[in-house]
Amino acid sequence: AAGVIQSPRHLIKEKRETATLKCYPIPRHDTVYWYQQGPGQDPQFLISFYEKMQSDKGSIPDRFSAQQFSDYHSELNMSSLELGDSALYFCASSSTTGELFFGEGSRLTVL
Amino acid sequence: DAKTTQPNSMESNEEEPVHLPCNHSTISGTDYIHWYRQLPSQGPEYVIHGLTSNVNNRMASLAIAEDRKSSTLILHRATLRDAAVYYCILRDEDRDDKIIFGKGTRLHILP
Repeated sequence: AAGVIQSPRHLIKEKRETATLKCYPIPRHDTVYWYQQGPGQDPQFLISFYEKMQSDKGSIPDRFSAQQFSDYHSELNMSSLELGDSALYFCASSSTTGELFFGEGSRLTVL
Repeated sequence: DAKTTQPNSMESNEEEPVHLPCNHSTISGTDYIHWYRQLPSQGPEYVIHGLTSNVNNRMASLAIAEDRKSSTLILHRATLRDAAVYYCILRDEDRDDKIIFGKGTRLHILP
């Protein structure tokens, strides 16, 4: 069965650079979520989209933005990167059943 | 937000049942009890959820106390692959759809 696809799987950036992470939800899933997981931390909710509109917002820094496109894929844009942004970024999608299906994550390292 | 309390860590022997407890004394009438787990180096994975009645699926069973102030995730026959962090999460599916992760229980399986 198709799962949530995230790209890139690994990304290395310098401080103050920008990064874009992509998420392709499971087909026919209309809701996408983004989470950030720092080293040794639990996943933290950043933002979610339902039918291409932002549906909820968590602890997402102002330097980050995200959107969901007409094909339901989503992108998380991160600017002015800081060392503390180094983390695993998970995307999840869900349908009406309510279960969230997570991707394998994108590991961002900021040097 | 409604909170859950779980042991930081637990140990179990391989091929034995595991009972993972969760306290949620401030649960509201519309909160569903969800369990997710995160295996090492992987994204979180849905395990099971329920509202009032006990639930069974191919992965686990969920036993919910009559007053709903606590619940127990039961893995009937633990394998080494079940070593993970298990998260008990309350989710008001009428109000929002995101999953908020708490501290979770790190389950160690002894061979």
